[in-house]
Amino acid sequence: NAGVMQNPRHLVRRRGQEARLRCSPMKGHSHVYWYRQLPEEGLKFMVYLQKENIIDESGMPKERFSAEFPKEGPSILRIQQVVRGDSAAYFCASSFLAGDPYEQYFGPGTRLTVT
Amino acid sequence: DAKTTQPPSMDCAEGRAANLPCNHSTISGNEYVYWYRQIHSQGPQYIIHGLKNNETNEMASLIITEDRKSSTLILPHATLRDTAVYYCIVRPERGTGGGNKLTFGTGTQLKVEL
Repeated sequence: NAGVMQNPRHLVRRRGQEARLRCSPMKGHSHVYWYRQLPEEGLKFMVYLQKENIIDESGMPKERFSAEFPKEGPSILRIQQVVRGDSAAYFCASSFLAGDPYEQYFGPGTRLTVT
Repeated sequence: DAKTTQPPSMDCAEGRAANLPCNHSTISGNEYVYWYRQIHSQGPQYIIHGLKNNETNEMASLIITEDRKSSTLILPHATLRDTAVYYCIVRPERGTGGGNKLTFGTGTQLKVEL
């Protein structure tokens, strides 16, 4: 059973460009979570999605960031007009159901560098 | 969310048991204790979780005190590959909304040495 997959693993964007990060959950998982880890900091929750629905976006910056999880295909985290402060590791996780005791399984992350 | 307190760092000799403590004195009755680890910038890896009883799996054991105010993660025979940051997380009760996200603190940097 393949784990959570994320691509690209590394992404370099110049300031003002758009970044699109993809996440394919584990087989059978329909709940996806995005977390961000800034350099030398802990992971911070951004958004929780189910198929075609955003359930909790309390950790998403108000501007430039959006997420989707379409009926078909991977979940996408989109960052418009990137700035240097967006440089971070972005991790996606998935779970079979939401909440305890269903653990979240994490992908390897996408490392975004904004130059 | 219940707050957790962990020592910032610990050392352990390879082959010995690593005992990582976590204090969660404000935990409420239906909140689970989860442990994850992150090996050098990789994605966090689930280790184990429990509610009241002690738990054991192929990776580790989790000992939760009777009053549930603290717990200890035990890696019975630590290896160099266990060097990582270990996070103790208290997860809000399912259905409260907060249970959808994991709140990571600063964790414990475990260094396993020869």
